[in-house]
Amino acid sequence: EAQVTQNPRYLITVTGKKLTVTCSQNMNHEYMSWYRQDPGLGLRQIYYSMNVEATDKGDVPEGYKVSRKEKRNFPLILESPSPNQTSLYFCASTSTGGSWISGELFFGEGSRLTVL
Amino acid sequence: ELKVEQNPLFLSMQEGKNYTIYCNYSTTSDRLYWYRQDPGKSLESLFVLLSNGAVKQEGRLMASLDTKARLSTLHITAAVHDLSATYFCAVDTSGDMRFGAGTRLTVKP
Repeated sequence: EAQVTQNPRYLITVTGKKLTVTCSQNMNHEYMSWYRQDPGLGLRQIYYSMNVEATDKGDVPEGYKVSRKEKRNFPLILESPSPNQTSLYFCASTSTGGSWISGELFFGEGSRLTVL
Repeated sequence: ELKVEQNPLFLSMQEGKNYTIYCNYSTTSDRLYWYRQDPGKSLESLFVLLSNGAVKQEGRLMASLDTKARLSTLHITAAVHDLSATYFCAVDTSGDMRFGAGTRLTVKP
């Protein structure tokens, strides 16, 4: 089954404790991206990657890191989480046609993160 | 900076009525997407609009794109309760994807 898998789905952590949210897709997509969803703000892009070893900042990259060492994986790293990073996080992927996205995004189920 | 504005943000409709959701964006792009999100769920794709004048229809929903006006519309025809959800438009500029704030649609009997 074609899917985007995120882990963990739910996490409660404390300020400053490093954490990683994993994202894996099995559709051989070149493009992967991370978003956070907060009430009234829609989805805001954190980072995106057009292909392996190519990452770019989105709208709200501060406090986050990513890496794209393999095509299927795109982990989101919070080096020192703070309460304002409490949010619902989505990973998504799609195919590309050169330097542009060629279709709709396929989303993971979401990861709800609470930072105390 | 690319900005995407949706309106209305909240929409309460009677079953059987028609309505339109608007999505305006601030910079040149000919790639616009519509997604649906049910409460507590992830997002699913509704429409992909990739050129000026593109029109796509699926059931009671029809989406269009006017790149000159930087405007997309999502038209709902004869609404039914099952259409109750939050609808997002998104605009892409070479991978930089910006979403609108979403329109929460409630369809009442």
